[in-house]
Amino acid sequence: KAGVTQTPRYLIKTRGQQVTLSCSPISGHRSVSWYQQTPGQGLQFLFEYFSETQRNKGNFPGRFSGRQFSNSRSEMNVSTLELGDSALYLCASSSGGNSYNSPLHFGNGTRLTVT
Amino acid sequence: TQLLEQSPQFLSIQEGENLTVYCNSSSVFSSLQWYRQEPGEGPVLLVTVVTGGEVKKLKRLTFQFGDARKDSSLHITAAQPGDTGLYLCAGVLRYKLSFGAGTTVTVRA
Repeated sequence: KAGVTQTPRYLIKTRGQQVTLSCSPISGHRSVSWYQQTPGQGLQFLFEYFSETQRNKGNFPGRFSGRQFSNSRSEMNVSTLELGDSALYLCASSSGGNSYNSPLHFGNGTRLTVT
Repeated sequence: TQLLEQSPQFLSIQEGENLTVYCNSSSVFSSLQWYRQEPGEGPVLLVTVVTGGEVKKLKRLTFQFGDARKDSSLHITAAQPGDTGLYLCAGVLRYKLSFGAGTTVTVRA
């Protein structure tokens, strides 16, 4: 079974631009969560989707948005990029209905650098 | 501020030594998970503990959930270079999974 696939692996953008990151979950997994990982803050929860509906949202500004498609693939978008958005963005899928009571399977992340 | 505090932040030991990392909170969690993340990869789930006082063993790794379900520890016996990585704890609180900042473990050959 293929694991969680995130594209692209690396991305360099300049301040003010926008970016879209993609995540393909494990086949059959319908729950997808997104996390931001930085050295100082660890993993911070962005949002969770299940069957194309956002179920939960973390404490991030509205510049961060996401969506899930009918095939469970998910995208997240960050608009008006700031230097502080530089981070590793991780996507995780789970087989259960919620990310908190089913094991999470993480992708290898997208490393975003904002200059 | 982190809901889950992990200590120490960094740990460097020689192959064959033992180590313990800690995960503490003032909140009570319904369950707690431990992950290991290697450079360039995403975190991989090691174990989930659910019951207060629970002890789980995974080969040379021993995980303990505190009686009050507010803290947990991970003990590695006879560490090997392959144990090198970032160890993350994550707790379920009010239907959300919160992660600690992690402990970076380096095992020198």
